[in-house]
Amino acid sequence: AQSVTQPDIHITVSEGASLELRCNYSYGATPYLFWYVQSPGQGLQLLLKYFSGDTLVQGIKGFEAEFKRSQSSFNLRKPSVHWSDAAEYFCAVVIPGGYQKVTFGTGTKLQVIP
Amino acid sequence: DTGVSQDPRHKITKRGQNVTFRCDPISEHNRLYWYRQTLGQGPEFLTYFQNEAQLEKSRLLSDRFSAERPKGSFSTLEIQRTEQGDSAMYLCASSVSAAYSTETQYFGPGTRLLVL
Repeated sequence: AQSVTQPDIHITVSEGASLELRCNYSYGATPYLFWYVQSPGQGLQLLLKYFSGDTLVQGIKGFEAEFKRSQSSFNLRKPSVHWSDAAEYFCAVVIPGGYQKVTFGTGTKLQVIP
Repeated sequence: DTGVSQDPRHKITKRGQNVTFRCDPISEHNRLYWYRQTLGQGPEFLTYFQNEAQLEKSRLLSDRFSAERPKGSFSTLEIQRTEQGDSAMYLCASSVSAAYSTETQYFGPGTRLLVL
């Protein structure tokens, strides 16, 4: 079965600094890959997704992610973090074909300090 | 607002009571999913509907849980004889399927359940 690992439970960055959130997946082939963001008490908002093609994908709110097949990774990046980016970020995978059950990582909580 | 909506947003109940949650998907989305999210964890898949048919149920979904989507539109998730371990956020998502195409699930705001 597929799995998703987000090794960082908590990350603190200063406002204006760059950000990289790590995500590794385990699956025999290339799954579909997603990043979602969840603000406190809220549902999940899709930031970006990768299905195929260009391995650098752009998302909303200035986020981007790069798919690296050799490393089974899909890390999320933002060049300059804003205080409003403080939230929990979930990496997720879907196995192509059939219905598409999303498997989520355990999340990385981002704190932004002034 | 044409997003996924869930009702209620919060529910507090006593152990042993029954609760029911509702999810209204995005119009014309034929797939609907329920997930459960406990504190500090990512959401976990519970069940999935294509139109009105429930096609997959997770082993997490015990006999006390039942979900329906009677007309292929809104869905309900009922928990009977609630236990404290049922306390969680229950998330609903919807998507539109297409042959030989990818899909994206759109999530609702969730229903947070607290069982006392």
